[in-house]
Amino acid sequence: GQSLEQPSEVTAVEGAIVQINCTYQTSGFYGLSWYQQHDGGAPTFLSYNALDGLEETGRFSSFLSRSDSYGYLLLQELQMKDSASYFCAAPAGAGNMLTFGGGTRLMVKP
Amino acid sequence: SAVISQKPSRDICQRGTSLTIQCQVDSQVTMMFWYRQQPGQSLTLIATANQGSEATYESGFVIDKFPISRPNLTFSTLTVSNMSPEDSSIYLCSVGEGTGTGELFFGEGSRLTVL
Repeated sequence: GQSLEQPSEVTAVEGAIVQINCTYQTSGFYGLSWYQQHDGGAPTFLSYNALDGLEETGRFSSFLSRSDSYGYLLLQELQMKDSASYFCAAPAGAGNMLTFGGGTRLMVKP
Repeated sequence: SAVISQKPSRDICQRGTSLTIQCQVDSQVTMMFWYRQQPGQSLTLIATANQGSEATYESGFVIDKFPISRPNLTFSTLTVSNMSPEDSSIYLCSVGEGTGTGELFFGEGSRLTVL
């Protein structure tokens, strides 16, 4: 089985940097994904780390450490539109089926 | 990327009735996934819909309650049977392209409220 743990809520101010952590326990591990979901919207893919290290995509970066069973999503230069829920997720096998963490609700304040 | 259309987008249902949700993808895909997201909660996988074979259900979900059809490579339906208020949730259809990418595309979801 798989379980992924994230903080339930994070609050930050506009322009700041925020890090959302994810720790996981899996019977087999293939990589870690991150998704963003605005209220009333569908989850949208942000990033995927199959290997250790940092992946950067614009203002968002994602990090993975397999030895620590840990990853994080880093959001820089926060904007109000970044207020959303963020989910880490891991493939349950070699296919695309994902198990999701509990989600972190990010609130960006002026 | 894949474009996924779900119908209905929302519905209010009476206890004891059943509702079928449709999912249409703009390209052929091998596997389609049905997730449930209860209010304020995470996404829980209900089942994987495979074309030409029975769906594969996750622990806690059974075919009698959530029958799934997958008649071709672009379409699937999920039925929520004999609904109770506990079934009030958002039901999401998703697909992935390739394997090992960690990327799923989601429909906009079907928000069901059971009275």
